[in-house]
Amino acid sequence: RKEVEQDPGPFNVPEGATVAFNCTYSNSASQSFFWYRQDCRKEPKLLMSVYSSGNEDGRFTAQLNRASQYISLLIRDSKLSDSATYLCVVNGRASGGSYIPTFGRGTSLIVHP
Amino acid sequence: GAGVSQSPSNKVTEKGKDVELRCDPISGHTALYWYRQSLGQGLEFLIYFQGNSAPDKSGLPSDRFSAERTGGSVSTLTIQRTQQEDSAVYLCASNRGAGSGELFFGEGSRLTVL
Repeated sequence: RKEVEQDPGPFNVPEGATVAFNCTYSNSASQSFFWYRQDCRKEPKLLMSVYSSGNEDGRFTAQLNRASQYISLLIRDSKLSDSATYLCVVNGRASGGSYIPTFGRGTSLIVHP
Repeated sequence: GAGVSQSPSNKVTEKGKDVELRCDPISGHTALYWYRQSLGQGLEFLIYFQGNSAPDKSGLPSDRFSAERTGGSVSTLTIQRTQQEDSAVYLCASNRGAGSGELFFGEGSRLTVL
């Protein structure tokens, strides 16, 4: 089982739609969680951190369910500019002992007019 | 510049040649990570440097891969006897250390092995 799993999509939605992505992780000792955004042929950039209490940043809401080991990202009122790949990131312990950000394969979002 | 700098941005090489990829992290960032991203795939962890501690090399896929970080700053990733399956984008990231949250990525070095 992969450490961080995401549905690769693509999710193809019209402008204004609400879309949700889920991500599951296998390491129950994981300590911190993030969503990154990656545009085509660009480097990943932090979208938001994910806190146990849930957090919101404008149109974006992230939630963490430690008991079920999943993380979600909700995007409301989708814009064309939201089209990108969304990467779920979990800080988990690598086999060498360090806590390393581990990336999911990403979920592709396409917002169309 | 203020961001993570990587070079070269593109490298085309022949199978069997050695390549070196360079990363210059953000000044003051003690942690440096190398990842690679193959076409359509997620980021695969390669190696992690934290200050003067021994690096965590647990992600290196074979002994053809090595990396060093001189003076706690610039890092070089070396791939010896390159193979076609080494073709990928090699991404470097830095931050202030484990638990400090956001990773700041360079634009990557795109390696193509013919």
